[in-house]
Amino acid sequence: SAVISQKPSRDICQRGTSLTIQCQVDSQVTMMFWYRQQPGQSLTLIATANQGSEATYESGFVIDKFPISRPNLTFSTLTVSNMSPEDSSIYLCSGGLAGDTYNEQFFGPGTRLTVL
Amino acid sequence: GENVEQHPSTLSVQEGDSAVIKCTYSDSASNYFPWYKQELGKGPQLIIDIRSNVGEKKDQRIAVTLNKTAKHFSLHITETQPEDSAVYFCAAPTPYQKVTFGTGTKLQVIP
Repeated sequence: SAVISQKPSRDICQRGTSLTIQCQVDSQVTMMFWYRQQPGQSLTLIATANQGSEATYESGFVIDKFPISRPNLTFSTLTVSNMSPEDSSIYLCSGGLAGDTYNEQFFGPGTRLTVL
Repeated sequence: GENVEQHPSTLSVQEGDSAVIKCTYSDSASNYFPWYKQELGKGPQLIIDIRSNVGEKKDQRIAVTLNKTAKHFSLHITETQPEDSAVYFCAAPTPYQKVTFGTGTKLQVIP
């Protein structure tokens, strides 16, 4: 398994500002992902963080709004840009070792974002 | 893409009783099915998973069963305890090493 940490654990931000969330994994993982979780809801995948190249975004998410970096195998950042109250959510990163046809993922504790 | 349905959305059981959560999936090629437990204020924790080459897997009080023909899998928790209270998510794989999550089941164990 992998131990994943995130910073910050929570933040309250003003509309129109940006927040960068950091994700650190304690061992090298093949895959890293970023998710959003609205209160009481399931997890929605934002993007796959690719080492040294542009992230792969899911439908409904764009790079201008959620720029992602992954400079090495154990670290990634997600920025929530030009925030609005609708961006209030929990943001989770996950890491995992890709198998032949499956991906065992482990999650960080999440970042709880409130936008005023 | 993969579609995962999860039932029930909420479940209340008396301490010591068993709890069962069921999920169905759509892609017959799927071969890996994890279950996650999410406690309040924490990230999801992988608690058990099953590969398609087996029909059942146990780990102490929790077990997962898989029916590939019917395309459904279930989480069984026996002798429930208050600390089992949490939200449980099933998941199934999708292309490019991703997973699709079920809608979640909020389990409440009543002391």
